Amino acid sequence: QKEVEQDPGPLSVPEGAIVSLNCTYSNSAFQYFMWYRQYSRKGPELLMYTYSSGNKEDGRFTAQVDKSSKYISLFIRDSQPSDSATYLCAMSFSNTGNQFYFGTGTSLTVIP
Amino acid sequence: DTGVSQDPRHKITKRGQNVTFRCDPISEHNRLYWYRQTLGQGPEFLTYFQNEAQLEKSRLLSDRFSAERPKGSFSTLEIQRTEQGDSAMYLCASSFSRGRTGQETQYFGPGTRLLVL
Repeated sequence: QKEVEQDPGPLSVPEGAIVSLNCTYSNSAFQYFMWYRQYSRKGPELLMYTYSSGNKEDGRFTAQVDKSSKYISLFIRDSQPSDSATYLCAMSFSNTGNQFYFGTGTSLTVIP
Repeated sequence: DTGVSQDPRHKITKRGQNVTFRCDPISEHNRLYWYRQTLGQGPEFLTYFQNEAQLEKSRLLSDRFSAERPKGSFSTLEIQRTEQGDSAMYLCASSFSRGRTGQETQYFGPGTRLLVL
């Protein structure tokens, strides 16, 4: 079993829709949770960074962490065609000098 | 551009050849990471440096792989006797550590795409 599970999609939504992306994980020691966006043939770009359980909002993006269920989510409101990319969740055990464990990524297409 | 840079962006080589990739981190960042990403997968950790010291290596990093970070600035990743299974995107990331307080965010470069024929 992988440490981090993520549905690879692909996910296709109309412009303006609310998108929900999710990851589950098996190791309860994970404390830091990240969402990265990766455009084709580019490196991952950090979107959101959260610590422990709770919500964090940044513009059209909201990250949720539910440690009791070992489940994290990223919501994108008012999705735009420019949001079309692969979204990777990542997590780490601590915030210092630790490797990140990534999901496989979910491919999202927002149709104009 | 003050982000993480990687060179070359693409490399095609024949099986058995050696290849070397370079990563230049964000200038004030003291930590540097190497990851490998294959198609349809998330990045997988290979190794990381704090300044010039290599502190952790994944078991994915076979003895054909070696990484260095002389003087704690740029880093190189060398693959000797390449195999077709080495074909992947090699990503470098850097971060600034404040010790045990504060958040540490890894910023990724554009990657080097390797194809071994």
